[in-house]
Amino acid sequence: QQQVKQSPQSLIVQKGGISIINCAYENTAFDYFPWYQQFPGKGPALLIAIRPDVSEKKEGRFTISFNKSAKQFSLHIMDSQPGDSATYFCAASKLGSARQLTFGSGTQLTVLP
Amino acid sequence: DTAVSQTPKYLVTQMGNDKSIKCEQNLGHDTMYWYKQDSKKFLKIMFSYNNKELIINETVPNRFSPKSPDKAHLNLHINSLELGDSAVYFCASSQPPNTDTQYFGPGTRLTVL
Repeated sequence: QQQVKQSPQSLIVQKGGISIINCAYENTAFDYFPWYQQFPGKGPALLIAIRPDVSEKKEGRFTISFNKSAKQFSLHIMDSQPGDSATYFCAASKLGSARQLTFGSGTQLTVLP
Repeated sequence: DTAVSQTPKYLVTQMGNDKSIKCEQNLGHDTMYWYKQDSKKFLKIMFSYNNKELIINETVPNRFSPKSPDKAHLNLHINSLELGDSAVYFCASSQPPNTDTQYFGPGTRLTVL
């Protein structure tokens, strides 16, 4: 059972465009929703995260939109740059002694120059 | 300074062998994790561990075992390696509940022949 569903699998945008990646979750016990960025040959690195008490969080060009009732959240990358080309993973975790992350399947983003 | 390090970076071995992957973190975190990333880049939690609790994902074969000599280290031992074990293994650490950010190591690419 895939608890976090991510789309699209791949995304190609032009430099300066907006990249949008969507995720949906099933477990209502999840209360922490991070996005991770992974470059080839590297480990994932936290990009931005949100908790369900807010509907939006913005950090620079990156924004998370969160819809608790729909159990959906999305990552928006404004003014996309070639350096943003990477794999993006949404994830979710629930309160507990260890915050095990349940990841989405990943989105390969390519930003064309 | 590397926050989370893993050795080796690459590991090639024959089916049936036993191998270990080492992980060290210098962040002072209490909780460490092992994730498996398959050929489709899907990331899945295997274990989380702190000095009080080991949480094992139910799908992990008992051929896999984490061992922690101290708080800064969480090694992964794999017995009787199988072809399907080929993947990239990532170690991570965090300090819940103070911070939910998980810091990932660079990964170990395991190839079983």
